[in-house]
Amino acid sequence: AQKITQTQPGMFVQEKEAVTLDCTYDTSDQSYGLFWYKQPSSGEMIFLIYQGSYDEQNATEGRYSLNFQKARKSANLVISASQLGDSAMYFCASDTGRRALTFGSGTRLQVQP
Amino acid sequence: ETGVTQTPRHLVMGMTNKKSLKCEQHLGHNAMYWYKQSAKKPLELMFVYNFKEQTENNSVPSRFSPECPNSSHLFLHLHTLQPEDSALYLCASSQEKGYSNQPQHFGDGTRLSIL
Repeated sequence: AQKITQTQPGMFVQEKEAVTLDCTYDTSDQSYGLFWYKQPSSGEMIFLIYQGSYDEQNATEGRYSLNFQKARKSANLVISASQLGDSAMYFCASDTGRRALTFGSGTRLQVQP
Repeated sequence: ETGVTQTPRHLVMGMTNKKSLKCEQHLGHNAMYWYKQSAKKPLELMFVYNFKEQTENNSVPSRFSPECPNSSHLFLHLHTLQPEDSALYLCASSQEKGYSNQPQHFGDGTRLSIL
């Protein structure tokens, strides 16, 4: 079974600073994908970034990067140059292909001016 | 603008009512999903459809009945719901189930309140 753990229920960051949101996963599958989603207060889930288990380089998408440490089974999201619009819930999720996404409990990020 | 559209956005219903949630995707995907998001709980997968065939039912009570008439449309029929069923119901789609590298694209959700 897959399990995703996000140990930070809430995080604060100053505008323009970088922030790291933690995620650890537990799976016995060799092939899997790791995803981060953003959920603003309006409710929609927005796909941010993907990392494959066989990818040797960390994924980057604009201001988002994924710090993937396979041996530690961690997939932390780094947001650089935080903006007020980054305030939202952030969910880490994994997919092994055999089952649909398993989500963590989320981290609420608040960006302060 | 989302490629996955859910209607209605909000729904209030009594426990004896029957209603349906609708999801439509315009992304050419072949897999569709229903999730339930309750307060202070992780997203819970409910159902998965791949090429119109149900491939996962995550022990969902029978008062929730999914229907997938084609790869673009997904319904969730509701009847005799309980107060604990109040939640945000999210629909998602992806290219195809079975591959671990495909992101799911979500709709805006239907916020359901059971009186």
